[in-house]
Parts: sequence; C-alpha cells; structure tokens
Amino acid sequence: DIVMTQTPSSQAVSAGEKVTMSCKSSQSLLYSENKKNYLAWYQQKPGQSPKLLISWASTRESGVPDRFIGSGSGTDFTLTISSVQAEDLAVYYCEQYYDTPNTFGAGTKLELK
Amino acid sequence: QVQLTESGPGLVHPSETLSLTCTVSGFSLTGYSVYWVRQPSGKGLEWMGRMRYNGDTSYNSALKSRLSISRDTSKNQVFLKMNSLQTDDTGTYYCTRAANYYSSYTPGDYWGQGVMVTVSS
Repeated sequence: DIVMTQTPSSQAVSAGEKVTMSCKSSQSLLYSENKKNYLAWYQQKPGQSPKLLISWASTRESGVPDRFIGSGSGTDFTLTISSVQAEDLAVYYCEQYYDTPNTFGAGTKLELK
Repeated sequence: QVQLTESGPGLVHPSETLSLTCTVSGFSLTGYSVYWVRQPSGKGLEWMGRMRYNGDTSYNSALKSRLSISRDTSKNQVFLKMNSLQTDDTGTYYCTRAANYYSSYTPGDYWGQGVMVTVSS
C-alpha cells in the first residue's frame, strides 16, 4: 500500500497568517499517460464529514475559497492557506487515489494560537 | 441534489457481524462508484473498499477477509457487511461518492453524515 506522510501533525496559527502543510507519498502519484497527480485534500471540522477541497493535487472544488492552494507533483505535495480564517480551523487530510487501496495521511490539525 | 445516508445499528457485540446501508439519491449507482471509509474516534480516515459503477468491488487488503460490499441498484442502496468485529472496529463509518462519472480512481466528493458504530459487550 502507498504510505502517505503528513507534516506537521498540528500547527497553531493566527488569523491572517499564511499556512503550509506537507504530504509525501511513498511512491509517485503522477500517472504518465495523463500527467495527472492522483492526490486530494480534505478538510474535516469537529463532528462533520470530510469535505473535498482539492483534487488532482491542485484543482479546487467548486465553492472552495481561492485562499486554498494545492501544489506539488510526484511524491511531494503542499496545501497552502494564503490567509487563514477562523472557519479554517480543522483537520486536513491528504489522500492518494492512484492505487487501490486509497490511503490517507494521518492529518494536520490547525489550531488557534 | 446528491445525498448519501448511512444507516445501521449503533451497537454491535464483539465477534458479531456489522451490516450498514448507504442509501443514495441524486445520482445513479450504475454511473458512479461508492466508497466506504471509516474513522476510529479521534483518529484518522481509513478507506475500506468500493462498489464500482459496473458492480465490481475492491477492498482494503487489511480488511478483505472480513468485508463484503454489495448493492441493490433498484433501491439505490450500497451495503457493507463486516464480520468478526472487535473493539478496535469502533468508530464512524462513512459512504462517499466517487467524484467522476464512470470512474473509480477519483476522490470522494459527496459524503454521508456518517454512522457511529460501537463494538462492546
């Protein structure tokens, strides 16, 4: 199975700060035939289901604010929140869907400083 | 609009079988795959398996010997059965729709609210 490693496990932030979090996969998620990275980012708030933010490493889902930016390719990926808002406090998970089984990282928890 | 709703027993005894139902609306099971994902309380997400749009199934190898996923397209339902439950199977179980039509290699875009399952005697 592909192992997904997320860092940091938690991060204390202030409103308005720029935040970056990392996701690394144990093998490349770049499919050579279509040049797509099979990597998604989810946001999960307490008591809620995960919400898909970004697919294909950098494609924002409809309605997701443009302060959420996904980047990276191959085995190294980053989720950046350009200016954190209070409503962004949540756990963020990356997921690879390149190979079965899909696998998730352990998550990065954003907390208030 | 797209909706997924999980249902099933809240409490299961150790060694028994868990049966969950995911009832969907707003899309066809013959066009979209559905995944099952679980989350132990306070922990991360684990992909369990999928029912593909064409009726094929795939399972997490860690659970494969205990897990079965099936569907009834006429009722718009996908089923999960897992046997030999233990206390570490306690958690919230979600079903989620594959984001792309006629594809299984996509993330889950719509999620159910989840059903909490406790394994305890």
